[in-house]
Amino acid sequence: GESVGLHLPTLSVQEGDNSIINCAYSNSASDYFIWYKQESGKGPQFIIDIRSNMDKRQGQRVTVLLNKTVKHLSLQIAATQPGDSAVYFCAEVGNRDDKIIFGKGTRLHILP
Amino acid sequence: GAGVSQSPRYKVAKRGQDVALRCDPISGHVSLFWYQQALGQGPEFLTYFQNEAQLDKSGLPSDRFFAERPEGSVSTLKIQRTQQEDSAVYLCASSLARGDQPQHFGDGTRLSIL
Repeated sequence: GESVGLHLPTLSVQEGDNSIINCAYSNSASDYFIWYKQESGKGPQFIIDIRSNMDKRQGQRVTVLLNKTVKHLSLQIAATQPGDSAVYFCAEVGNRDDKIIFGKGTRLHILP
Repeated sequence: GAGVSQSPRYKVAKRGQDVALRCDPISGHVSLFWYQQALGQGPEFLTYFQNEAQLDKSGLPSDRFFAERPEGSVSTLKIQRTQQEDSAVYLCASSLARGDQPQHFGDGTRLSIL
């Protein structure tokens, strides 16, 4: 299928290394944050989320860090695998409505 | 299990034609969202339904865009008099209830306007 993000910033990581994808969000009133993974031709797939009363949350091979002071979010992927190749979007949800505001995506490219 | 289903997966239309895009949310999901994703960009919110009520349509780009969900399940996004700038992937998402996260996305309809 056609690529989702032809002009997105790209992070190239050696297979087996850890990946860190960074994101700046816009709304200081947002109280819920999500990382989505989007493969070519597919819809966004939920990876991990975090609420604004936390600064770190861990999942399986993934960790999300939230720094509300500088409105920064990061996604860490441990032991990156070929299947992790995709475009990753951070997203925020306001405390007044349910719509998701997506950030600029980052393409993760895995080097063999 | 069954996820969010969208049809058609691909739609090609000539400029000026009307198109209709369908979304079947996950069974029992009350909230339904439409997003537009231009090439190389993140999805952008279009409109939101809670059951059959359209509670937010602030993201619809123009009055050529119309969405409905008459029975509170299947939703249709209609674009009238299509223009080339309407070319994008249209994504549908659903969630169990208002305020419930995360939303579950379908794989989208890729619309190309010639």
